[in-house]
Amino acid sequence: EVQLLESGGGLEQPGGSLRLSCAASGFTFSSYSMSWVRQVPGKGLEWVSTIGKKGTIIYYADSVKGRFTISRDNPKNTLCLQMNSLRVEDTAVYYCVKGGPAGARESDYWGQGTLVTVSS
Amino acid sequence: DVVMTQSPLSLPVTLGQPASISCRSSQSLVYSDGNTYLNWFQQRPGQSPRRLIYKVSNRDSGVPDRFSGSGSGTDFTLKISRVEAEDVGVYYCMQGTHWMHTFGQGTKLEIK
Repeated sequence: EVQLLESGGGLEQPGGSLRLSCAASGFTFSSYSMSWVRQVPGKGLEWVSTIGKKGTIIYYADSVKGRFTISRDNPKNTLCLQMNSLRVEDTAVYYCVKGGPAGARESDYWGQGTLVTVSS
Repeated sequence: DVVMTQSPLSLPVTLGQPASISCRSSQSLVYSDGNTYLNWFQQRPGQSPRRLIYKVSNRDSGVPDRFSGSGSGTDFTLKISRVEAEDVGVYYCMQGTHWMHTFGQGTKLEIK
C-alpha cells in the first residue's frame, strides 16, 4: 500500500524558513517523480514543484521560484521541500504527491498534508 | 499557464440521480506523445484528494463504475451515473500536459 507521510509544517514568521519532509513507502520510490501541491484551507489546489526520479529534472511554480528548493533522497525514500523567505501567501496545507507511469502528468497518490502557517 | 475552467462550481444533486461536471482548458491538452493528460480528483470533506480518472477516461482501481470521464482537446466531462451519499465532496480536474500543471477551481457536490 502506497503511503506518503508529510512532516515539518508549523507556524513561522514572514521571512522565515521551514523544511518539509515526506516519508514514502509501499512503492519503489526511486522509480517515480514526486511533487508538492498546496491548498489554502477551504480553497483550491496549486502545483508547487516537481522533481524527476533521479533528481536531475526539477520544476517550480513562478510563485515559489528562487525561494523554495525541492530535493529527494532515494536510498532513504524521502522527499523534501526547503522553504525560505516565507510569505503570508505561502500559508497552506502542503501535500506530497506521487507521480504515475508518465511522471507528474499522471500523479496518483497524495499524502495527508502538513499545514504551514506564515504569520507575524 | 493553462487555465482550467470548471462548471458548475456548486452541484446539488438528489440521491440516485446523475451528475455531470464540465472542465474546459485554455489550450489543447494533447501531449507530444499523443496522450491527453487530463485527470479528475475527488476530495471528500477533511480528506486529501483522491484520483478517480486519468488520461481523460481511465478509471482508477477501486473507483466505482458509476464514475466516467470523457472528452478531447479542450473540453472534458466527469459523469456520475447515480449519485450516492459517499460522493459528497469537491471534484477537481487537473491538466498534466503543460508545465505548470494546473487545476480547475473545483466543483462542490452536495446532496439536495
